Amino acid sequence: DQQVKQNSPSLSVQEGRISILNCDYTNSMFDYFLWYKKYPAEGPTFLISISSIKDKNEDGRFTVFLNKSAKHLSLHIVPSQPGDSAVYFCAASPNAGNMLTFGGGTRLMVKP
Amino acid sequence: DAGVIQSPRHEVTEMGQEVTLRCKPISGHNSLFWYRQTMMRGLELLIYFNNNVPIDDSGMPEDRFSAKMPNASFSTLKIQPSEPRDSAVYFCASSLSSDEQFFGPGTRLTVL
Repeated sequence: DQQVKQNSPSLSVQEGRISILNCDYTNSMFDYFLWYKKYPAEGPTFLISISSIKDKNEDGRFTVFLNKSAKHLSLHIVPSQPGDSAVYFCAASPNAGNMLTFGGGTRLMVKP
Repeated sequence: DAGVIQSPRHEVTEMGQEVTLRCKPISGHNSLFWYRQTMMRGLELLIYFNNNVPIDDSGMPEDRFSAKMPNASFSTLKIQPSEPRDSAVYFCASSLSSDEQFFGPGTRLTVL
């Protein structure tokens, strides 16, 4: 049973436009959520996180939105750049610094 | 800082052989995680150490897998005997308390 799901395996966006990556979770105990970005042949790198006490966290071009009632979070990238092309993983944890449960990932392709 | 270091980067072995994967976490980090990434199961947590003590090994697939952390700067993941279905990319990650996890580049294991 997948506790964290990313239903879109891939997403293609034009450079300069907004990329929206979605993630759903089922475990009510999760209260800390993260997004990781992964390039081929490299390990995932941390991108942005959000605690359940917030509904939005922004860092430059990246914004994460959390809807606790819907058990849904999303990552917005504006404007999208070709260098953003990578696999994005959503992850959740019962508290910060603890074990992470990852979604299956979404491959983002930003076309020039 | 060199980041999380994993060795080897690639390992090809024959079924039945023992495989040892190595990880050096970021200096000062007190938590260490081993993950496995496969096409079928995505990125899954195998085991988690805190202050060199295994906290949760519920993700370890079976008794053929074992992990140790003899000191704060070194951990191993051993598979004995290895099987073709163990073929995957194995990641080590480390973190400091409640901070985000930093991943190593991974070890790509192929069991023939």
